[in-house]
Order: sequence, then C-alpha cells, then structure tokens
Amino acid sequence: GENVEQHPSTLSVQEGDSAVIKCTYSDSASNYFPWYKQELGKRPQLIIDIRSNVGEKKDQRIAVTLNKTAKHFSLHITETQPEDSAVYFCAASKGSDYKLSFGAGTTVTVRA
Amino acid sequence: GAVVSQHPSRVICKSGTSVKIECRSLDFQATTMFWYRQFPKQSLMLMATSNEGSKATYEQGVEKDKFLINHASLTLSTLTVTSAHPEDSSFYICSAPTGLYGYTFGSGTRLTVV
Repeated sequence: GENVEQHPSTLSVQEGDSAVIKCTYSDSASNYFPWYKQELGKRPQLIIDIRSNVGEKKDQRIAVTLNKTAKHFSLHITETQPEDSAVYFCAASKGSDYKLSFGAGTTVTVRA
Repeated sequence: GAVVSQHPSRVICKSGTSVKIECRSLDFQATTMFWYRQFPKQSLMLMATSNEGSKATYEQGVEKDKFLINHASLTLSTLTVTSAHPEDSSFYICSAPTGLYGYTFGSGTRLTVV
C-alpha cells in the first residue's frame, strides 16, 4: 500500500519567514496530493492540492510542488503569520475513489 | 459544496458499552465513506472503507467485529464501537469522496471511554 513520509515533524519560524514541509510517497500510481491544515479537535481543512499532471500550483502565500520522478512533493508557505500556526498533513491517493494516505504531520509554530 | 454531517461531536461512555457514530451526506450521495481514527498528536489512520450496499473493507489490524460499519443508504454511514474500552478513546472522523478528486470530512467525534 501507499506509504507517505513527512518531514519535519515540528517547524518553528519567525513571522514573515517562509516554511517548507516535504513529503515522499511510495506508490507511483498515486496521482492526487492534497495538503491539509488541522486545528486541535477539528476536521482537516484543505489548503491546496495538486494532481500528477501538474508540477507546481500556487494560491496566494501557499504553493505546492510535485516531482513525480522522485515521488516527492512539498508545501511552501511564504510570509508566515501567527494564524498559520497549526498541524499540517500531506496526503496521497489514486483519486477520490481510493483512500487517502496521510503523512505523520508537521506542527508549525509561527513566532511573533 | 458537499457536506458531511457527523454526530455526535463528543461522547463519553462507560467501558463495555457500545457507541454509534453517524455520518450523513447532506447534499450529495456518498457511495463510499472512509472512516479514520486519530490519536492525540498523531496522524489520521484509515480504519475501514464502507460502500453502500456492500460489506465494509477493513484495514489490517482493525477488528471488524469491534468496529461495525454499516452503509445502508447513499446518505448514511455508521460506525459502532462495540464493547468499548479506554484504549478506544480517540477522535473518529469520516470522509466521503467528492468528484474525481477531493474529499469532504465530517466534523469528527471525540470518544472518551471511562
């Protein structure tokens, strides 16, 4: 089955700096890679996603890059703000008829 | 947008009793529902996949007789934790596929077994 590894497990950045989280996946058939932000006791909230036919996607301060050959994808948050502090999960699937496999999560703390 | 309503949001039960968690798709038909469990400071781990009108598929290591899943209609999937024990205390969350790509999540159920 799919194995998604995520690094780092914790990340502390100064407000205004950038944060980068990296994930690798094992199943070359995976073609959908969402990123979720989760606050304590809440449901995961989709912040950005990318499909395997695209190498990069950007939405304001958030961007995701995908390297299919190396089977890794990354989340980039620029100009971090205190409200970006949360747990972030990467995930992979072969399409929505298939399960999502999640990374272990990254706790991001933005220092004011 | 596609919404999955999950109830209850919190439940406390006594050890040995059973608890039922419901997930309803409000504005779409969910032929598939994924059930996840999340322990504190850990990731979401898939427990099982339910499909309307057929038996659920359980992930390795998940006891199907303990975690009963029913998906009797296109809008309702339920997870029943039978003979609950303190180690079953966790955050349970359901998720349904929406379109070719994408998933919508329920709001989660915090189960505490005392």
